[in-house]
Amino acid sequence: GAVVSQHPSWVICKSGTSVKIECRSLDFQATTMFWYRQFPKQSLMLMATSNEGSKATYEQGVEKDKFLINHASLTLSTLTVTSAHPEDSSFYICSASLGLSGNTIYFGEGSWLTVV
Amino acid sequence: QKEVEQDPGPLSVPEGAIVSLNCTYSNSAFQYFMWYRQYSRKGPELLMYTYSSGNKEDGRFTAQVDKSSKYISLFIRDSQPSDSATYLCAMKGTNAGKSTFGDGTTLTVKP
Repeated sequence: GAVVSQHPSWVICKSGTSVKIECRSLDFQATTMFWYRQFPKQSLMLMATSNEGSKATYEQGVEKDKFLINHASLTLSTLTVTSAHPEDSSFYICSASLGLSGNTIYFGEGSWLTVV
Repeated sequence: QKEVEQDPGPLSVPEGAIVSLNCTYSNSAFQYFMWYRQYSRKGPELLMYTYSSGNKEDGRFTAQVDKSSKYISLFIRDSQPSDSATYLCAMKGTNAGKSTFGDGTTLTVKP
């Protein structure tokens, strides 16, 4: 099946610093990638939809200046958490649509962020 | 009210049992229905993808969609301990649209 890779798998950073998470589609081109946040024992919360070559569409309540998303190519999208605070600690997951119709969505393995 | 409601569980069954996982939804525009399996501290894995009403079978897994009742189910036959995970239903209105997820049901299959 299609593979979506996320890096890093886990990261610890100091409060006030910025952290970048990469999401790559390894064997297909993804015109659309999605970024989610998941708290323990809760479902996925969509943060933003990222389209290659255009600005990301953020969900209501998600600060676009804090969570910077860049989708520079058909195989790479990045999420940068700027000026991270402990409340930003969470599991961040990306997904990518396979095919022009976007029928099938594959998820990355997720990235654990801990802000201390 | 949430657009997608999923039986919260947790669900615990003996090995070999048939498991039924269910979701209801309120948005009649949903046409694409997915089931994902998520192991602890991992990203979700797509199990089943169906369009509109009907049944779809893949090995021990059967997905059912009843659009008239706005109800979807995932059945797992001959459940195994390796099936222990959280199962998420998801649905969307268009091919490339964003998905709306249920909160997940945690399943434990005991040997």
